[in-house]
Amino acid sequence: GENVEQHPSTLSVQEGDSAVIKCTYSDSASNYFPWYKQELGKRPQLIIDIRSNVGEKKDQRIAVTLNKTAKHFSLHITETQPEDSAVYFCAADDMRFGAGTRLTVKP
Amino acid sequence: DAGITQSPRHKVTETGTPVTLRCHQTENHRYMYWYRQDPGHGLRLIHYSYGVKDTDKGEVSDGYSVSRSKTEDFLLTLESATSSQTSVYFCASGTGKLKGPYEQYFGPGTRLTVT
Repeated sequence: GENVEQHPSTLSVQEGDSAVIKCTYSDSASNYFPWYKQELGKRPQLIIDIRSNVGEKKDQRIAVTLNKTAKHFSLHITETQPEDSAVYFCAADDMRFGAGTRLTVKP
Repeated sequence: DAGITQSPRHKVTETGTPVTLRCHQTENHRYMYWYRQDPGHGLRLIHYSYGVKDTDKGEVSDGYSVSRSKTEDFLLTLESATSSQTSVYFCASGTGKLKGPYEQYFGPGTRLTVT
């Protein structure tokens, strides 16, 4: 079955810096790669996703890149703000999630 | 957020007792999922459903069963609760692979404590 590895498990950055979270997957047939944000005590919510026919997608300060050959994809957050502090999950297709990255943005 | 709800939101039960968690969605989504969330493990799939009465196991299905008699409801049952099943349980729904995208919408979660 599909395995999704996510790194790092924790990430601390200064406000205004960039943050990058990386994920790798094992099933070459996977073609949908979403990222979810989960604030403390809340439910996970989709923040951005990418399909296998696209290499990069941006939405304001967040972007996702996909390398299908290497089977890895990354979340990039620029100009980080304290409200970006949360746990971020990547996933491949709809049922296999990475273990999560706890991002802390220090003011 | 109002499209998917879970009940109860919190439950404390004793080892060996049966427990049923309910998920209800109003989005007419075909797919529904149950996950458990534990520190260091992220979201792990317990069972999922791809239609009424159509269910399949996930990676951590031992000790759990599910039922889906209506599109909008997906029940998770712990037949005999154990302390290792203390966790936060999230339900989700989505259109699944047959009608992309695969985005999932999560419920608010149920915190279950087995003493």
